[in-house]
Amino acid sequence: GDSVTQMEGPVTLSEEAFLTINCTYTATGYPSLFWYVQYPGEGLQLLLKATKADDKGSNKGFEATYRKETTSFHLEKGSVQVSDSAVYFCALSVSGGGNKLTFGTGTQLKVEL
Amino acid sequence: GAGVSQTPSNKVTEKGKYVELRCDPISGHTALYWYRQSLGQGPEFLIYFQGTGAADDSGLPNDRFFAVRPEGSVSTLKIQRTERGDSAVYLCASSLTWVGTGGYNEQFFGPGTRLTVL
Repeated sequence: GDSVTQMEGPVTLSEEAFLTINCTYTATGYPSLFWYVQYPGEGLQLLLKATKADDKGSNKGFEATYRKETTSFHLEKGSVQVSDSAVYFCALSVSGGGNKLTFGTGTQLKVEL
Repeated sequence: GAGVSQTPSNKVTEKGKYVELRCDPISGHTALYWYRQSLGQGPEFLIYFQGTGAADDSGLPNDRFFAVRPEGSVSTLKIQRTERGDSAVYLCASSLTWVGTGGYNEQFFGPGTRLTVL
């Protein structure tokens, strides 16, 4: 079946540090890949997506590149801010699957001054 | 415009009781999804509606769970004979019509209903 594995948290960084959250996947078909974010007290929001191999999704300074050869979609940001503190979920959707999402377990990020 | 709304925001019930959870999708969104998020886990797919019909209910854990969307808008997730293991946050999401192979319409999530079964 389809599955997503992401690094466990919590990840604690100082402001302006470099962020990487690893994500790998297995899929029965050709997936689209996503990062969702859940800020404290808020609902899930789409952060970025990539729908085919080698695509780079980007938003709010975050980036992730769809690497088919390593089945990965690692999230990166060059300089995190306190306001980036949230839980980040990697997810996939397989073509022909009605767009239902398969999520990883989430990684909590804490950014401190 | 208004986002996806879910009611109630919190529901506490006793083991063995029946509960209904409601989802109001974004107006014009024909696709509607239910997910369940247990503590410390990512959301897990339960069921997907395209219009009034359940296009995929493969994620429903057993026959105690049922969902309807009679007019293609509001949806209700129904849980019979609740068990303590049903305690979780139930999320609803909606999107524009699925565009088929290679396409994707963003799913917009509601705030969730936190269900606690005592």
